[in-house]
Amino acid sequence: MMMTQSPATLSVSPGERATLSCRASQSVSSNLAWYQHKPGQAPRLLIFGASTRATGVPDRFSGSGSGTEFTLTISSLQSEDFAVYYCQQYTFWPPRFGQGTKVEIK
Amino acid sequence: EVQVLESGGGLVQPGGSLRLSCEASGFTFSNYGMTWVRQVPGKGLEWVSVISRSGGDTYYADSVKGRFTISRDNSKNTLYLQMNTLRAEDTAIYYCAKGGSSSYVFDSWGQGTLVTVSS
Repeated sequence: MMMTQSPATLSVSPGERATLSCRASQSVSSNLAWYQHKPGQAPRLLIFGASTRATGVPDRFSGSGSGTEFTLTISSLQSEDFAVYYCQQYTFWPPRFGQGTKVEIK
Repeated sequence: EVQVLESGGGLVQPGGSLRLSCEASGFTFSNYGMTWVRQVPGKGLEWVSVISRSGGDTYYADSVKGRFTISRDNSKNTLYLQMNTLRAEDTAIYYCAKGGSSSYVFDSWGQGTLVTVSS
């Protein structure tokens, strides 16, 4: 069971839209979560169930997809959004994370 | 406010042991599964182990099975990870995470504690 994220790095200007992809090697239905991780900080749950925002997550973050193809969209990047983003499946044991997409300032 | 705070990391020689702790607050600890996740510096996240609400069920990644033991003390709101026979490849930041809608959705994390295995 592999999770593959693309691109590895995404260079985006503040205010622009960012689209991150995550592909599962087998169908995980909608059992897909997205996390945001900044250096030296605790990872933060953004999305679970492929499209449900976690408590307190701004609505500029949205998740979509099912089966093997998933997308995290940040509609208008804010300065605090520059971070590494991980997808994670929880259909198959063990739960597995993708390798991450780093969103950096262009 | 939900908080989890890890402690116990440090430098240990290969073959040595270390016990990590994670103190939880702001929620009813005994109602949630708890997990350890690690991150090798500069690399991605790796799930390590999970424990059920009561502590009766535990599961481990193949990479740590037989060497690590997860446990919890619900009276102290504390999660533990006993790490034995440590290897250089166990060097990582270890995060404690609270289970959410599923024990495998991690809705609150600590800032981590660094474990370095080196001679």
